[in-house]
Amino acid sequence: GESVGLHLPTLSVQEGDNSIINCAYSNSASDYFIWYKQESGKGPQFIIDIRSNMDKRQGQRVTVLLNKTVKHLSLQIAATQPGDSAVYFCADRSPDNAGNMLTFGGGTRLMVKP
Amino acid sequence: DGGITQSPKYLFRKEGQNVTLSCEQNLNHDAMYWYRQDPGQGLRLIYYSQIVNDFQKGDIAEGYSVSREKKESFPLTVTSAQKNPTAFYLCASKRTGTNNSPLHFGNGTRLTVT
Repeated sequence: GESVGLHLPTLSVQEGDNSIINCAYSNSASDYFIWYKQESGKGPQFIIDIRSNMDKRQGQRVTVLLNKTVKHLSLQIAATQPGDSAVYFCADRSPDNAGNMLTFGGGTRLMVKP
Repeated sequence: DGGITQSPKYLFRKEGQNVTLSCEQNLNHDAMYWYRQDPGQGLRLIYYSQIVNDFQKGDIAEGYSVSREKKESFPLTVTSAQKNPTAFYLCASKRTGTNNSPLHFGNGTRLTVT
């Protein structure tokens, strides 16, 4: 399959461990945040989102934490599985952005060791 | 199943030729987007359309053109004026009427120009 990003930050975890992927955003006016997962050769897939009036949101095996004070977003994956291996992108939206555009981070590659 | 279909998955062209990438969605979304993805970089917005017969330039529109004659379709033409066209191209769509809705992506077209 194609390589999504040859020089991405990489996080390597053991199968069964928890993973934490971090993201910093720059616009203090951002009010909506999303995490995407992208497997090799595929388009990004929505994982979870959070609005700025929340600090934490949980999904199935995933939790997103938002710290607006330091403009930091994290994605926690519980009991990481080989199928979680992918590139993970965060994105944020600000009311300042024309057309409600999302701004995407550069991505983090997660590698799960069996 | 509803979704976004991009075709073809792989496309090869000679330098100097225009090429059109197809994007079709049956999600009944008003807004559609084209992104370019290069290794080691995040997604960069080429063009977007929030309604039929209207579209706007994104951050890297030079050398590209689009049309939006139908709600379901948003083809992207990579012209010979695009200096570095080899890349992975992603089409996306989203609901309008709410600021906080995620983008839904297709599985991309990898264009190679030699």
